[in-house]
Amino acid sequence: NAGVTQTPKFRILKIGQSMTLQCTQDMNHNYMYWYRQDPGMGLKLIYYSVGAGITDKGEVPNGYNVSRSTTEDFPLRLELAAPSQTSVYFCASSYSRVYEQYFGPGTRLTVT
Amino acid sequence: ELKVEQNPLFLSMQEGKNYTIYCNYSTTSDRLYWYRQDPGKSLESLFVLLSNGAVKQEGRLMASLDTKARLSTLHITAAVHDLSATYFCAVDSSGGGADGLTFGKGTHLIIQP
Repeated sequence: NAGVTQTPKFRILKIGQSMTLQCTQDMNHNYMYWYRQDPGMGLKLIYYSVGAGITDKGEVPNGYNVSRSTTEDFPLRLELAAPSQTSVYFCASSYSRVYEQYFGPGTRLTVT
Repeated sequence: ELKVEQNPLFLSMQEGKNYTIYCNYSTTSDRLYWYRQDPGKSLESLFVLLSNGAVKQEGRLMASLDTKARLSTLHITAAVHDLSATYFCAVDSSGGGADGLTFGKGTHLIIQP
């Protein structure tokens, strides 16, 4: 099993550009999550999904969108990138709400 | 709003010593998780604590949960250099709200020979 994979690993965006961060898991987990981690801080939840076709906002959803058309994939869309979105983005998945979350390797995004 | 506080945020200790990291949270929850993160890497699950009084041990690390005090501890016994990392506790707001976790800021642990 590859677990949770994320692409790209690094990306530099100009202000106002858009991009999609990809996340795929091969563990057949229903729950998937997107977090961002700013330097010296813990992770903050952006969006989550409890199954295909179902998504909901987390603590910091502004400036982001998600979709979940399949169990495996949970892409995160950044529209009109801003410097405040410079961060490391982690995707995670879990079997259920109670079980531990498995994290991907992260995408380091810089917006200049 | 659920708040999670870790203490200390930075810890430098010598090999062979014992120490405890504390994780306090502000609202009712009976699910708490500990993760480890190495520099520039992803998060690795260490412990899942799902009930009051839960205690888990793996090697030199032991975690416990007191839901009445809203407190979890991560105890390090006879520290070794390989345990140098950042340790996060995370709490599930089981009373409602988003299904994700609320993380503390992390404890940056350096273990020196």
